[in-house]
Amino acid sequence: DLQMTQSPSSLSASVGDRVTFTCRASQSISNYLNWYQQKPGKAPKLLIYAASSLRSGVPSRFSGSGSGTDFTLTISSLQPEDFATYYCQQSYSTPVTFGGGTKVEIK
Amino acid sequence: EVHLVESGGGLVKPGGPLRLSCGASGFDFSGTWMSWVRQAPGKGLEWVGRIKTKTGTADYAGSVNGRFTISRDDSKNTLYLQMNSLKTEDTAVYYCTAEGSYCRSTSCYVYFVYWSQGTLVTVSS
Repeated sequence: DLQMTQSPSSLSASVGDRVTFTCRASQSISNYLNWYQQKPGKAPKLLIYAASSLRSGVPSRFSGSGSGTDFTLTISSLQPEDFATYYCQQSYSTPVTFGGGTKVEIK
Repeated sequence: EVHLVESGGGLVKPGGPLRLSCGASGFDFSGTWMSWVRQAPGKGLEWVGRIKTKTGTADYAGSVNGRFTISRDDSKNTLYLQMNSLKTEDTAVYYCTAEGSYCRSTSCYVYFVYWSQGTLVTVSS
């Protein structure tokens, strides 16, 4: 199975900060990579698909990049509602696999 | 508006069965691949399996293959997850998801676009 590794597992940041976290695949997945946001007690929400395509309705401060094995999710200016856990997920092959998540906490 | 509403979660003893249902509305259910994703308490997301359209072909994660069965009734817009031989490690919140796709050139990208509210399955004696 394809392994997805996210780093860091958690980070502390302030409102207004630019934050970037990474997702690495154990083999090349082209750009078959999606990003989700999950808040406590809630279902995940799709943010970005195909590595860099922003889902309709998602704020433009979110952006994704990368191809092959290395991917990043960037929040250009962190807002209070962005404190959550973020997961990457590969759709290159079955079984679908998720990264372990990056928890963004308030500094 | 899209709705995915689950039912059937609860407490079950190890080795026992349980069936989850997920009723869908607001989108073309019969034309949509559907998946189950679970999350153990305090842990990350784990894909359980998927059922495709038309043929109803299903794929499963290795951890549930042979014990879980995904099915769908397009006439009722309902997705099912039959779980047998449950283990304590199957304890999790289970989500049903609708898959979307985006095709560009010769590539099609699939993602989990709609999610249910989740239902807790606890396997314990």
